[in-house]
Amino acid sequence: KQEVTQIPAALSVPEGENLVLNCSFTDSAIYNLQWFRQDPGKGLTSLLLIQSSQREQTSGRLNASLDKSSGRSTLYIAASQPGDSATYLCAVTGYSSASKIIFGSGTRLSIRP
Amino acid sequence: GAGVSQTPSNKVTEKGKYVELRCDPISGHTALYWYRQSLGQGPEFLIYFQGTGAADDSGLPNDRFFAVRPEGSVSTLKIQRTERGDSAVYLCASSLTSGESDEQFFGPGTRLTVL
Repeated sequence: KQEVTQIPAALSVPEGENLVLNCSFTDSAIYNLQWFRQDPGKGLTSLLLIQSSQREQTSGRLNASLDKSSGRSTLYIAASQPGDSATYLCAVTGYSSASKIIFGSGTRLSIRP
Repeated sequence: GAGVSQTPSNKVTEKGKYVELRCDPISGHTALYWYRQSLGQGPEFLIYFQGTGAADDSGLPNDRFFAVRPEGSVSTLKIQRTERGDSAVYLCASSLTSGESDEQFFGPGTRLTVL
């Protein structure tokens, strides 16, 4: 059974710092991995999607990497801003569980002005 | 265009009552998914529809939970004899088809509180 773990559960850093959020998954037979952002009372916004054949994806100040063999992904946020404060969720779609997305518990990020 | 919408945004009910949660997917999306997110946790899969039929309902926790999508568009998640443990945010998502390559777009969720 696929399990997704995110560390740390919460993180608070001053504005301007670069930071890394970590995600690990137990079954490497994944179709893709996504990073989502969730603001309080809002739905999920997809930030980056990495196909299993890819190693990384970049969008603006965000960079996500994928090491499928070791079951790990990182989300790198450069030059953090208070507007980046949100919960970040890592999620995988597996070949054996087509169409289900398996989510981690998230990292609650707070950027201090 | 319009995204996935869910109504109501908040629902407060008493233990033992029946509730219905509605999801309007993106127009033209044939696949529709329900997830449940408890406080401090990531969303957990409940059920997904391809068209009008439930293709996978393995995530429904028990027979108090039921979902329908009679015309292949709007879906309703129904919870009978609600319990305090049912309190959570219920998220709906839709995708163009149900393949792994199709991105799921999420609605804002319905926050259910069972007193």
